[in-house]
Amino acid sequence: DAGITQSPRHKVTETGTPVTLRCHQTENHRYMYWYRQDPGHGLRLIHYSYGVKDTDKGEVSDGYSVSRSKTEDFLLTLESATSSQTSVYFCAISPARDSSYNEQFFGPGTRLTVL
Amino acid sequence: QKEVEQNSGPLSVPEGAIASLNCTYSDRGSQSFFWYRQYSGKSPELIMSIYSNGDKEDGRFTAQLNKASQYVSLLIRDSQPSDSATYLCAVIPTGGGNKLTFGTGTQLKVEL
Repeated sequence: DAGITQSPRHKVTETGTPVTLRCHQTENHRYMYWYRQDPGHGLRLIHYSYGVKDTDKGEVSDGYSVSRSKTEDFLLTLESATSSQTSVYFCAISPARDSSYNEQFFGPGTRLTVL
Repeated sequence: QKEVEQNSGPLSVPEGAIASLNCTYSDRGSQSFFWYRQYSGKSPELIMSIYSNGDKEDGRFTAQLNKASQYVSLLIRDSQPSDSATYLCAVIPTGGGNKLTFGTGTQLKVEL
């Protein structure tokens, strides 16, 4: 998985609790992304980072926040989990040497269930 | 209109045949195109990228890009049961920077 790990791999939580997912890379790539994947919707971008402390919103960012204090780590936080956030979450990384050639490589994913 | 469209399938082909997967996109200015393979319960794996019109071959895989008609396809020659997976098309639209837009995927089944 291109030197990407995600933790936890599975999590069950209750509505209203905060949840943090971690993505860790050993490739020293500049760009990191968080996606969610749901049946019928495909992969949708939540947030991404283009450097330490540099982040921006994606297509479905409401209810999520991110932080990147080190090149290798990108955290996704669900401030107050809701059942609609039950999904599979993927982290991806990209060297993005040129914005036209943005090959992204995915981590193993985290399956989150919000009861 | 969805930005990236794929037939959800399933597309069934016999072992040894050529599987043809198609993807259309709405943004005429899109520049970069990718195919990912995703096995059930696993993460997407990049198998092909293509940036200019024409064909690009890598082993049993050929990606074809036609910007005038706004489609990109993936051909898999000598299909094997291990090719059974969902294939995701992804595009960088105009001004998309480093963000990919994904289609919802086509499920491929290779039958013995």
